[in-house]
Amino acid sequence: RKEVEQDPGPFNVPEGATVAFNCTYSNSASQSFFWYRQDCRKEPKLLMSVYSSGNEDGRFTAQLNRASQYISLLIRDSKLSDSATYLCAVAFYNQGGKLIFGQGTELSVKP
Amino acid sequence: EPEVTQTPSHQVTQMGQEVILRCVPISNHLYFYWYRQILGQKVEFLVSFYNNEISEKSEIFDDQFSVERPDGSNFTLKIRSTKLEDSAMYFCASSGGRGAFFGQGTRLTVV
Repeated sequence: RKEVEQDPGPFNVPEGATVAFNCTYSNSASQSFFWYRQDCRKEPKLLMSVYSSGNEDGRFTAQLNRASQYISLLIRDSKLSDSATYLCAVAFYNQGGKLIFGQGTELSVKP
Repeated sequence: EPEVTQTPSHQVTQMGQEVILRCVPISNHLYFYWYRQILGQKVEFLVSFYNNEISEKSEIFDDQFSVERPDGSNFTLKIRSTKLEDSAMYFCASSGGRGAFFGQGTRLTVV
């Protein structure tokens, strides 16, 4: 089983739609969780950390469910500029900070 | 805003040659990473470096690879006897413990 798994997509949605990304992780020792955005041929950029209590940043909401080993990202009112690949990442700071990425989910927002 | 810088942005090398990829992490960060991304594929963890030593490494990070932090600011990845399949984007990242920040990458092309 892969350490971090995501649906590869692509997700094709119209502007204004709400889109949800899911990610599962296999190692219960995972300590910290993040969502990244990667534009084509660019570096991944940290979008937000994910906490059990859930956290929101504008149109973006992230949620962690430790019992199910599952994290999610919700984008509301999607914009053309949201088109990118979204990567979830899991960190193990008690293992020297190892940070593992899922394979990413491609999002394409259409006018 | 502090950022991770990588040089060179593009390196072309002949098969069998050695290359050194250079990175300057964010100055007060504690964890340093190298990742590889083959075109169209996922971001793959190579190695993490903490407290002046390798803390974790993946199966990809075999004897062909080595890392150094020679002077307290630079962080290098050396690839010996390069092969065609080493052609990829190599990303350096650093973290203070709340997610990692990436450099813009070095595109390595082995011919």
